[in-house]
Amino acid sequence: EIVLTQSPGTLSLSPGGRATLSCRASQSVSSYLAWFQQKPGQAPRLLIYGASTRATGIPDRFSGSGSGTDFTLTISRLEPEDFAVYYCQQYAGSPPWTFGQGTKVEIK
Amino acid sequence: QVQLQESGPGLVKPSGTLSLTCAVSGGSLSSGPWWSWVRQPPGKGLEWIGEIWHTGATKYNPSLKSRVTISIDKSKNHFSLNLSSVTAADTAVYYCATKAAASPFHYWGQGTLVTVSS
Repeated sequence: EIVLTQSPGTLSLSPGGRATLSCRASQSVSSYLAWFQQKPGQAPRLLIYGASTRATGIPDRFSGSGSGTDFTLTISRLEPEDFAVYYCQQYAGSPPWTFGQGTKVEIK
Repeated sequence: QVQLQESGPGLVKPSGTLSLTCAVSGGSLSSGPWWSWVRQPPGKGLEWIGEIWHTGATKYNPSLKSRVTISIDKSKNHFSLNLSSVTAADTAVYYCATKAAASPFHYWGQGTLVTVSS
């Protein structure tokens, strides 16, 4: 099973700030890495797939980078609606598909 | 666009079987993608449970494999999850989701909370 480790656990930032979230895989997942946003009481929402491709309707302030084992999600200028929990997910090869433990982006 | 809706009992007794159904609209179960179940214990992260292809082929998380059955009913355009011998550790929000080959989970249901308690 591929283990995904996200850091930091919590990120305290002000609106307008820049958020940098990390996801590290226990073995290479090539570019088969996605990022999700989850708000309280809601299902996860796909933001990024293929490590760097924005899903339909996702604003360009969200960007993803990386390949192999190290990945980054960057939110260039935080809007009030961006404060949420973010998960990475790998879908390389065969199951089990796994998620990171999440990074909470909170208002400072 | 595919829409998914989970339904089923919100309370299950310990040692019982958790049974949920996911109704699919805007898409057909007679073709791909993979139809999946994911769960999230309160305040915790996401765990993939398993998935089913339109042929009936299934894949399960090894950590749950001995207790999980996922089935598909094309005539009703829904797929189902059965999880047996449940304990309090199975208390979670259960989501159904879709996943194509070499793709992440694109579409999700709203989720349904299942509590295991006597």
